Amino acid sequence: NAGVTQTPKFQVLKTGQSMTLQCAQDMNHEYMSWYRQDPGMGLRLIHYSVGAGITDQGEVPNGYNVSRSTTEDFPLRLLSAAPSQTSVYFCASSYSITTGEGYTFGSGTRLTVV
Amino acid sequence: SQQGEEDPQALSIQEGENATMNCSYKTSINNLQWYRQNSGRGLVHLILIRSNEREKHSGRLRVTLDTSKKSSSLLITASRAADTASYFCATKEGSTLGRLYFGRGTQLTVWP
Repeated sequence: NAGVTQTPKFQVLKTGQSMTLQCAQDMNHEYMSWYRQDPGMGLRLIHYSVGAGITDQGEVPNGYNVSRSTTEDFPLRLLSAAPSQTSVYFCASSYSITTGEGYTFGSGTRLTVV
Repeated sequence: SQQGEEDPQALSIQEGENATMNCSYKTSINNLQWYRQNSGRGLVHLILIRSNEREKHSGRLRVTLDTSKKSSSLLITASRAADTASYFCATKEGSTLGRLYFGRGTQLTVWP
């Protein structure tokens, strides 16, 4: 099925551990972004990419790394997990965010850091 | 913060009534988008309005944009219980290629 696939759906980490949240899309979209959603804060942009090999920081990039080696995949790496990174993480992709499509979102990864 | 701000934070209405949500933003934009999020799910794109457009319709949705006031509104007509969700506005700034910034959302509850 076409869409944005995020794995895992749930994850519990200990403080200091590292992990990678996976995001894959099969729609040949150039634009991909990672957001975190916290209660009362809406969605905040972590990192985004406008094509393979091109990434840039969003509003809250500290503690996260990304890479875009292929059009399909855009993994988000937590370098050393902290309780402040407890959140729901969404990956989104789009052919173009300046036309009528907008973003297609994945179903999210709920991360708890203890 | 580049986020837009939705108003009100929460809205509760009866089925059949209209629901109006507002969004204000700070910088010049290329376009403004509205999304819906059902509880525990990802966001779903509803409609996009460009900076040179003033009004747009899609089914029961009507979006207006006033760039002089840096504000937008989303009207849902004849609301249904299935419209219960959080609604977010998102802004695409003119100067940045890939950034889309979201507001904090309006929680809409439609009672049967």
